[in-house]
Amino acid sequence: GAVVSQHPSWVICKSGTSVKIECRSLDFQATTMFWYRQFPKQSLMLMATSNEGSKATYEQGVEKDKFLINHASLTLSTLTVTSAHPEDSSFYICSAAWTSNQPQHFGDGTRLSIL
Amino acid sequence: QKEVEQNSGPLSVPEGAIASLNCTYSDRGSQSFFWYRQYSGKSPELIMFIYSNGDKEDGRFTAQLNKASQYVSLLIRDSQPSDSATYLCAVIGPNYGGSQGNLIFGKGTKLSVKP
Repeated sequence: GAVVSQHPSWVICKSGTSVKIECRSLDFQATTMFWYRQFPKQSLMLMATSNEGSKATYEQGVEKDKFLINHASLTLSTLTVTSAHPEDSSFYICSAAWTSNQPQHFGDGTRLSIL
Repeated sequence: QKEVEQNSGPLSVPEGAIASLNCTYSDRGSQSFFWYRQYSGKSPELIMFIYSNGDKEDGRFTAQLNKASQYVSLLIRDSQPSDSATYLCAVIGPNYGGSQGNLIFGKGTKLSVKP
């Protein structure tokens, strides 16, 4: 099946640090990538959708200046959490799809802990 | 508000039995339907997708779609303890969310298969 690689898998850092998470589609070209966040025992919440070469579309309530998304190529999207604070601690998961209506394949997620 | 509804469970079945997971969705224009499995602390894994009315079988899994009733289900035959996880129903439709191609997830049904 389609493989999506997400890195790093676990980050622990101090409050105020910026953290970059990478999402790569390894065996297909992903025109669309998605970024989700999941708090413990809650459902996945979509943060933003990014299409290669264009600006990301953010969901209501997600600060675009805090969560910077770049989708510069068909195989790579990055999410940068700027000036992270403890309330940003969560499980961040990316997914990639060949086109917007095709199945999304998920990366393994990044567990972010801000001290 | 467009919604995807699932019974949160837990659904408990004995090993070897058929597990039946159900999902309803509110937008009649929904086009694509997906079942994901999520183990605790892990990211979702695609199990099945279905686009047309009827049944779709893949190994021990059968997805059933009834667009008239706005209902999609997942059957797991010969359930194994390793099938114990949370099963997420997800829907893509033109009227969901702010972006084309958004997956809208249900909150998931927790399945427990007892040896």
